[in-house]
Amino acid sequence: DTAVSQTPKYLVTQMGNDKSIKCEQNLGHDTMYWYKQDSKKFLKIMFSYNNKELIINETVPNRFSPKSPDKAHLNLHINSLELGDSAVYFCASSPGTVNTEAFFGQGTRLTVV
Amino acid sequence: AQTVTQSQPEMSVQEAETVTLSCTYDTSESDYYLFWYKQPPSRQMILVIRQEAYKQQNATENRFSVNFQKAAKSFSLKISDSQLGDAAMYFCAYRSDGAFGNEKLTFGTGTRLTIIP
Repeated sequence: DTAVSQTPKYLVTQMGNDKSIKCEQNLGHDTMYWYKQDSKKFLKIMFSYNNKELIINETVPNRFSPKSPDKAHLNLHINSLELGDSAVYFCASSPGTVNTEAFFGQGTRLTVV
Repeated sequence: AQTVTQSQPEMSVQEAETVTLSCTYDTSESDYYLFWYKQPPSRQMILVIRQEAYKQQNATENRFSVNFQKAAKSFSLKISDSQLGDAAMYFCAYRSDGAFGNEKLTFGTGTRLTIIP
């Protein structure tokens, strides 16, 4: 029973296209995140949401738009995809309180050609 | 802003031996949390161990233990009796004492650990 699940696991698309990655967590957590892992394996936060409200937005191009329809879901929509967007995108969740860790999904490998 | 440094891009160890992965961080905060995450080839990020900065006692989880030196801002991971399944990228991560979405993780650049049979 997967705790944090992302779809799709792999996504190959052409430059200029628009694509979405979906994330769902069944842990009852209040906080969800998107992290990006680049080709050198460096992980950096993009966004965080708490109870559907955007909390962190870390210098991400506005082509990236997260949406949280409810606290169990956080989707990432990317417009006008560029070659540099190729990366692994991780969704994560946490209870949103102090002294708690984040639980990660299995990642979505996005390849822009 | 906090930074996390892992100075060893790659490490290797013989099976059943002990290895230590280094991590240093920079922060002006007094309360925070530190983590080691493991990323095997499957890509899944798996929590290995956590340490609360207000605790002096070093955390241990079975074969995994940390050496937390708060004054030196150092947080190393020791893996004892290394097993083939320990082969992975290991990431050190820092988390501020925040909540309600403010508790982002700042990661180091990772250390690739190879286990030699």
